Amino acid sequence: SQQGEEDPQALSIQEGENATMNCSYKTSINNLQWYRQNSGRGLVHLILIRSNEREKHSGRLRVTLDTSKKSSSLLITASRAADTASYFCATAPNNNDMRFGAGTRLTVKP
Amino acid sequence: DGGITQSPKYLFRKEGQNVTLSCEQNLNHDAMYWYRQDPGQGLRLIYYSQIVNDFQKGDIAEGYSVSREKKESFPLTVTSAQKNPTAFYLCASSIAGPTSGYTFGSGTRLTVV
Repeated sequence: SQQGEEDPQALSIQEGENATMNCSYKTSINNLQWYRQNSGRGLVHLILIRSNEREKHSGRLRVTLDTSKKSSSLLITASRAADTASYFCATAPNNNDMRFGAGTRLTVKP
Repeated sequence: DGGITQSPKYLFRKEGQNVTLSCEQNLNHDAMYWYRQDPGQGLRLIYYSQIVNDFQKGDIAEGYSVSREKKESFPLTVTSAQKNPTAFYLCASSIAGPTSGYTFGSGTRLTVV
């Protein structure tokens, strides 16, 4: 069963703009993770935010977490054409395994 | 370099055949996972293993089987009982389960011919 849902399903922006993707989940978590997938490739881990954290940064990435609303957002600043990929949020509802949403497909036009 | 290797990259299966997808990691990770991805969709968990000689069913285990005889290896067999096996299969490993990030292989694309 899917745990997270990303919104929007698809996002198209111009290079240099910021991209914001949202994730909602259903059960309590101890962390939430964001991954990136280039077409036809495996997923790459981007960032992990723990349930007691509200915001985390990594380079051009900023992740927020609101446990009261069971939601998270991923912001990519100053986007580049190379950021074109699908982005997934993932949570662990039972501490044994991780469940992924359907992803947001981001297209950054040069 | 440490990493996780899936092979083959592409695999074609005739109806009624069993096929085995390989997943090997040299990261010394205890936990390993198999996911299935269909076009435009998220990942669905097939099986996972938290330790050698032990594994658990995920959400869509029917028609699949796994083994975990060595820490480094977690092969997935797609049996003839899996009626719709055409998909992209991803293997992942983790040092500490969902409390840490997963490392993914580059995937195997399985097609039924």
